[in-house]
Amino acid sequence: GENVEQHPSTLSVQEGDSAVIKCTYSDSASNYFPWYKQELGKRPQLIIDIRSNVGEKKDQRIAVTLNKTAKHFSLHITETQPEDSAVYFCAASNSGYALNFGKGTSLLVTP
Amino acid sequence: DTEVTQTPKHLVMGMTNKKSLKCEQHMGHRAMYWYKQKAKKPPELMFVYSYEKLSINESVPSRFSPECPNSSLLNLHLHALQPEDSALYLCASGRQGRDGYTFGSGTRLTVV
Repeated sequence: GENVEQHPSTLSVQEGDSAVIKCTYSDSASNYFPWYKQELGKRPQLIIDIRSNVGEKKDQRIAVTLNKTAKHFSLHITETQPEDSAVYFCAASNSGYALNFGKGTSLLVTP
Repeated sequence: DTEVTQTPKHLVMGMTNKKSLKCEQHMGHRAMYWYKQKAKKPPELMFVYSYEKLSINESVPSRFSPECPNSSLLNLHLHALQPEDSALYLCASGRQGRDGYTFGSGTRLTVV
């Protein structure tokens, strides 16, 4: 089955800096790659996603890039703010029923 | 309505109790999911329902029994749980292959 590796497991940046989280996947048939943000005690929330026919997608300060050949995708957060502090999960899916999640990255943005 | 509603939000149960978790969505999603999440871990898939039929059971112990009474409702019946089953139970729904999931706010379950 699909195996999603996520790095780093923890990331600390200063407010205003950029943060990058990387994921690799094993199943070349995977074609849908969402990113979820989970604040402490809350549900995971979809923040951005990308499909395999697209190489990059942006939404304000958040962007995701996908390299299908290398089977990796990354989340980029620019101009980080303290409210960006959370656990971020990447996931991969084969247009199918279930998402396979990475182990998560705990992001801390310090003022 | 763009929400997935889960009840109860918190549940404490003994190992001999029987309880049920409920999930409801009115977004017309035909795929619904149960996930279990332990602290500092990713969500772990338990069950998938597609068009009200169980399509995936990720080798979940029989003390967890899912039910999908209709296209808007998903239940998880709990019986004879163990303390290690304490976790956040998340329901999600989606249009499979089209969008990411929408997660409910979860039920925080404690088994004593």
